[in-house]
Amino acid sequence: GIQVEQSPPDLILQEGANSTLRCNFSDSVNNLQWFHQNPWGQLINLFYIPSGTKQNGRLSATTVATERYSLLYISSSQTTDSGVYFCAGPWGTGRRALTFGSGTRLQVQP
Amino acid sequence: DADVTQTPRNRITKTGKRIMLECSQTKGHDRMYWYRQDPGLGLRLIYYSFDVKDINKGEISDGYSVSRQAQAKFSLSLESAIPNQTALYFCATSDRGQNPDTQYFGPGTRLTVL
Repeated sequence: GIQVEQSPPDLILQEGANSTLRCNFSDSVNNLQWFHQNPWGQLINLFYIPSGTKQNGRLSATTVATERYSLLYISSSQTTDSGVYFCAGPWGTGRRALTFGSGTRLQVQP
Repeated sequence: DADVTQTPRNRITKTGKRIMLECSQTKGHDRMYWYRQDPGLGLRLIYYSFDVKDINKGEISDGYSVSRQAQAKFSLSLESAIPNQTALYFCATSDRGQNPDTQYFGPGTRLTVL
């Protein structure tokens, strides 16, 4: 299966700052998702984005499939953005389960 | 009401005990998954099921078994729990028909094996 690597592992921001999180994957993907795990442990699906660009409010994501990376942009960060952001790609071949990166832990300070 | 529920939410058990974690969903999805998360790490796939008669091992299935009792229910069992199975366990669902592959997670079960 593919390998998913995320950077940076940790990020501390002041409220209002912008940030970019990166996800590199070792092979082509037909399934790439971003998740946010809040401080209470709940996992929320942010984007399903195997290619192209999507935006949802202050968050946007871009996947460049040919270069095997995806970026998650957070603009005007808020304390509620704190938590861990995971990137996930397909696990196995031809199936739809996921393999996760180790995450980027984001702390937004007031 | 939550679309994907997990019971129990927290469980403390002893080494050697058999325990079952349950997952139910009201989303009408056909695909269900079990993952575990260890501190500081991403999630790892334990088992997945694409319908009631389809059960597949994931990355770390040793020491676990599953049962898909109905389309809406998917249970994970630890036959003889050991301390290194202490982790946060997540159930997830996805729908073959719409937004394929987008996965929706339950709230998690925190399991401690003493």
